[in-house]
Amino acid sequence: EAGVTQFPSHSVIEKGQTVTLRCDPISGHDNLYWYRRVMGKEIKFLLHFVKESKQDESGMPNNRFLAERTGGTYSTLKVQPAELEDSGVYFCASSAKTGFADTQYFGPGTRLTVL
Amino acid sequence: GQQVMQIPQYQHVQEGEDFTTYCNSSTTLSNIQWYKQRPGGHPVFLIQLVKSGEVKKQKRLTFQFGEAKKNSSLHITATQTTDVGTYFCAGQNSGAGSYQLTFGKGTKLSVIP
Repeated sequence: EAGVTQFPSHSVIEKGQTVTLRCDPISGHDNLYWYRRVMGKEIKFLLHFVKESKQDESGMPNNRFLAERTGGTYSTLKVQPAELEDSGVYFCASSAKTGFADTQYFGPGTRLTVL
Repeated sequence: GQQVMQIPQYQHVQEGEDFTTYCNSSTTLSNIQWYKQRPGGHPVFLIQLVKSGEVKKQKRLTFQFGEAKKNSSLHITATQTTDVGTYFCAGQNSGAGSYQLTFGKGTKLSVIP
């Protein structure tokens, strides 16, 4: 079974540009999460999809971040316009069930550098 | 908001020595999960603890969940070079109505051969 995949693995952009990150969850997983780790800090939750619906977006830092999951399969996270403080590693995770205590499987992450 | 403190931040041990990392949550947790991230890798799920006072073992790894469900520890007996990586605890709080994991900062383990 394929794991969570993310694209690209690295992205280097200039301040003010737009970047779109993609996440493909494990096949059949309804729950999809975005997290990010800024240098030196802990991994922080951004948002949670159940199928195509946003269940919880309390972690989204501001309106420069837009996440979508059309059709309930893959998800994209767009940052527009990117700022220096957006640099970090963006992880996607997915889980199968809809209850608590469900294992979240993480993808390899996208390392975003904003210059 | 919920916070999870994890100590130590770094630990260097001689191969064969034991290692322990501790997590403490500001709020009562529904469950706590442990992940390992190898250098250059991504968090890989190790185990989940749900019950108060629960203890689980995986070979040389022992995981504990406190009676008050606010703290947890991971103990590795007789470390090996393959144990190198960063260990994260991550808590969930069902009372908050969210499935989000709140991560500790992680403990980076180095094992000297």
